[in-house]
Amino acid sequence: KNEVEQSPQNLTAQEGEFITINCSYSVGISALHWLQQHPGGGIVSLFMLSSGKKKHGRLIATINIQEKHSSLHITASHPRDSAVYICAVREETSGSRLTFGEGTQLTVNP
Amino acid sequence: NAGVTQTPKFQVLKTGQSMTLQCAQDMNHEYMSWYRQDPGMGLRLIHYSVGAGITDQGEVPNGYNVSRSTTEDFPLRLLSAAPSQTSVYFCASSYSTSGSYNEQFFGPGTRLTVL
Repeated sequence: KNEVEQSPQNLTAQEGEFITINCSYSVGISALHWLQQHPGGGIVSLFMLSSGKKKHGRLIATINIQEKHSSLHITASHPRDSAVYICAVREETSGSRLTFGEGTQLTVNP
Repeated sequence: NAGVTQTPKFQVLKTGQSMTLQCAQDMNHEYMSWYRQDPGMGLRLIHYSVGAGITDQGEVPNGYNVSRSTTEDFPLRLLSAAPSQTSVYFCASSYSTSGSYNEQFFGPGTRLTVL
């Protein structure tokens, strides 16, 4: 079993829909990251969080440390949000190292 | 700032050839790492460094060497390329604040094919 599990693996939505991507992990962590990988391949960091909730524009990330679960929400989705969204955790004992989920492929149709 | 740069963008090698993937960052980050990304799998850590002169193995280090002689550069060497090393390689860097590491900044990637 992977230490970091994402669901769904693939998600197709219509423009304007509210989207949720989930991430569950099985280890104690010091931080959780959400990343975005565009079709061209570049990877950018969206959020780093260790508790609560963070918001940036139409993106919201939440984490529940007790339940070992995080969600990434996209409000009013747009075709330009189409990308792979990747969850990664920094384990408490790993210092600087990250463990990555397999990613969720999101396609938003106009 | 250029951020994290990688060269080359694409490379085709024959089995047994050696080569070096270059990675550089101009943000004075102490942490640098190399990942490979394969279909159906998450990014996997090959090697990492927490500062100049310090390197360590990640999850999949076999067949790769690294060195960190300066803060800016972190080259990845393939000693004798194998088809199993066909992948997309990403370099990333990060910095720490009060002992905790922050977000990672990724390079654009190198797509390597080994025939």
